[in-house]
Amino acid sequence: ELKVEQNPLFLSMQEGKNYTIYCNYSTTSDRLYWYRQDPGKSLESLFVLLSNGAVKQEGRLMASLDTKARLSTLHITAAVHDLSATYFCAVVRFNTDKLIFGTGTRLQVFP
Amino acid sequence: EAGVTQFPSHSVIEKGQTVTLRCDPISGHDNLYWYRRVMGKEIKFLLHFVKESKQDESGMPNNRFLAERTGGTYSTLKVQPAELEDSGVYFCASSQVLGTGGFMNTEAFFGQGTRLTVV
Repeated sequence: ELKVEQNPLFLSMQEGKNYTIYCNYSTTSDRLYWYRQDPGKSLESLFVLLSNGAVKQEGRLMASLDTKARLSTLHITAAVHDLSATYFCAVVRFNTDKLIFGTGTRLQVFP
Repeated sequence: EAGVTQFPSHSVIEKGQTVTLRCDPISGHDNLYWYRRVMGKEIKFLLHFVKESKQDESGMPNNRFLAERTGGTYSTLKVQPAELEDSGVYFCASSQVLGTGGFMNTEAFFGQGTRLTVV
């Protein structure tokens, strides 16, 4: 059974600092997503990672994928308050259409 | 272009009552998915429609949950009778179908969710 573990569950960080959110998954998958959710809003797709070694960057966020280690990271550089949200990683189970989600990381950035 | 919309945004009902959630996918998206997040836990898959057909309903918790997608457009998810453990946020997502495999090889777009509270 495909399982996705995400950590930390909660992250409180000061503006300007760097941090990394980790996403481990247990079996083969053909793609991994990172989503952002603001309270009461929809899940917004941030990145889709398809292959080993894939790295994508958007603003202060950078996501990477190591399929051999079954690990993805979401790195936050010089955090700002606007990044406060809940971040989910999700893996598509191979040959299915199911997204298997991690538990989410609630990020709070304070001055 | 309108995104995925869900109604209502919030619902508070008593145990034993019936609630119907609605999802309007993005126009032209044949794939429609329902997911649920119970407080503090991961978002879990409930079921998947391709047009009006149920492709995969392996995540439906029990027979108190009934999902329909008449005509392959909007979908409803009815909970009858509701129990306390049904409380959570119900998300709907839609995506296009590309190729013959039918799998989600295109990005899924999510609605804002319906927060259901059963008291």
